[in-house]
Amino acid sequence: LAKTTQPISMDSYEGQEVNITCSHNNIATNDYITWYQQFPSQGPRFIIQGYKTKVTNEVASLFIPADRKSSTLSLPRVSLSDTAVYYCLVDRSARQLTFGSGTQLTVLP
Amino acid sequence: DAGVTQSPTHLIKTRGQQVTLRCSPKSGHDTVSWYQQALGQGPQFIFQYYEEEERQRGNFPDRFSGHQYPNYSSELNVNALLLGDSALYLCASSLNRRNYGYTFGSGTRLTVV
Repeated sequence: LAKTTQPISMDSYEGQEVNITCSHNNIATNDYITWYQQFPSQGPRFIIQGYKTKVTNEVASLFIPADRKSSTLSLPRVSLSDTAVYYCLVDRSARQLTFGSGTQLTVLP
Repeated sequence: DAGVTQSPTHLIKTRGQQVTLRCSPKSGHDTVSWYQQALGQGPQFIFQYYEEEERQRGNFPDRFSGHQYPNYSSELNVNALLLGDSALYLCASSLNRRNYGYTFGSGTRLTVV
C-alpha cells in the first residue's frame, strides 16, 4: 500500500482558503486518492475522492497533478467548524483503508 | 436514514477481561469494517466482514475476533484485554466492491485499567 506524507499541523484564519498537500510517491496505477475529515471523538467522514486532474464537490476541491505523486485538498473560506484532523489515503482495495497520522487543521478567529 | 450506530459509547474494563462491541451498519450497506484508533494516531484496520465471513484482516492478534449477522450488524470481541487495547474502536460500513463511501460510526471508547 502506498505511503502518504502530509504536514502534522496547519493553522489558518476564518474566511481563508486552506490547501493541504499530501505526497504519495509510490502511488500505483489503480490507486485512488481519498480525503477524510475527523472531529474529536467522532469517526472519520469522507470528504472527496479523485484519480486525476481536479475534482470538486460542495465542500472541497482535490487537485492531482499529472504524475499523481501528490495531491492537494483545498477548503474554500474555512470557518471555525472546519477545525479537525484531515487524512489523505491512497488505496486500490475496497477492503482496507490505510490512515496515516493526518494533518491537524486549526482555524483561528 | 440512520448512519452507523455503535454501542456502547464508553466502556471501562479490567486487564484480562473480555469485551464485546456492537455495530449496526448504515441502511443499504452490507460490509462492515473495524478500526482501532489510539490517541493521537490514525485509525488502524482490524478486519472486514462480508457475507458473515471475515475476508480481510489487519495486523492484530487472534485476541481480536468478530462476527457478522444476517442483518449485516457486527460485533468485535477482544479477549484477555491489555492496557494497550485502550482506544477508540470505530466501525465503518460500506457497499461491497466500492472503495469509497465508507460511513463511520462515532466509535466506542474503551479504557482498560
